[in-house]
Amino acid sequence: TQLLEQSPQFLSIQEGENLTVYCNSSSVFSSLQWYRQEPGEGPVLLVTVVTGGEVKKLKRLTFQFGDARKDSSLHITAAQPGDTGLYLCAGARGGGSNYKLTFGKGTLLTVNP
Amino acid sequence: EPEVTQTPSHQVTQMGQEVILRCVPISNHLYFYWYRQILGQKVEFLVSFYNNEISEKSEIFDDQFSVERPDGSNFTLKIRSTKLEDSAMYFCASSRILAGGGDTQYFGPGTRLTVL
Repeated sequence: TQLLEQSPQFLSIQEGENLTVYCNSSSVFSSLQWYRQEPGEGPVLLVTVVTGGEVKKLKRLTFQFGDARKDSSLHITAAQPGDTGLYLCAGARGGGSNYKLTFGKGTLLTVNP
Repeated sequence: EPEVTQTPSHQVTQMGQEVILRCVPISNHLYFYWYRQILGQKVEFLVSFYNNEISEKSEIFDDQFSVERPDGSNFTLKIRSTKLEDSAMYFCASSRILAGGGDTQYFGPGTRLTVL
């Protein structure tokens, strides 16, 4: 069974602070996707990382895929109240299980004004 | 920008009844998926579908579940005899190529199923 562990589970910070969310597994993933989910809505894609060591930036968000493709991180610089939400990582494997994503439980971020 | 759509947004049904959840995937995508999310829990894979047949299914996807692509645009999930524990958000997703090939799955807004 592939597991993706996200940490922290909850994070409450003040506007302007920086934060990092982690996604770890003992399994190797072919790709890893980060989503943001609002209550009662579907996951909205933020980024897909594919290559070990890859770094992608989306405005104030920086995503990194670990060299061994077992872990990933999301760093937010100067967080804003609009960044509040549930951040999910989801990994895909090649071979026989390449049709599905395995999701972490998510990190619920609250940015206070 | 193309998006995955789902109907209805909310379905309330009695235990034992059949429900059909509908999805319209992104038009040039070839792979289709259903996931579910029980309240407070993580998103779980149910089934993937390609070339008019199931590619992979989870242990959750038992004989009570079925999927179909009845025409060139719709993708449906049927639950034959709903149970209380089927209450969840059901998400449809689609992708151009396989997730394991590094492609991205795009999710719909979900259908909230409530079984009474």
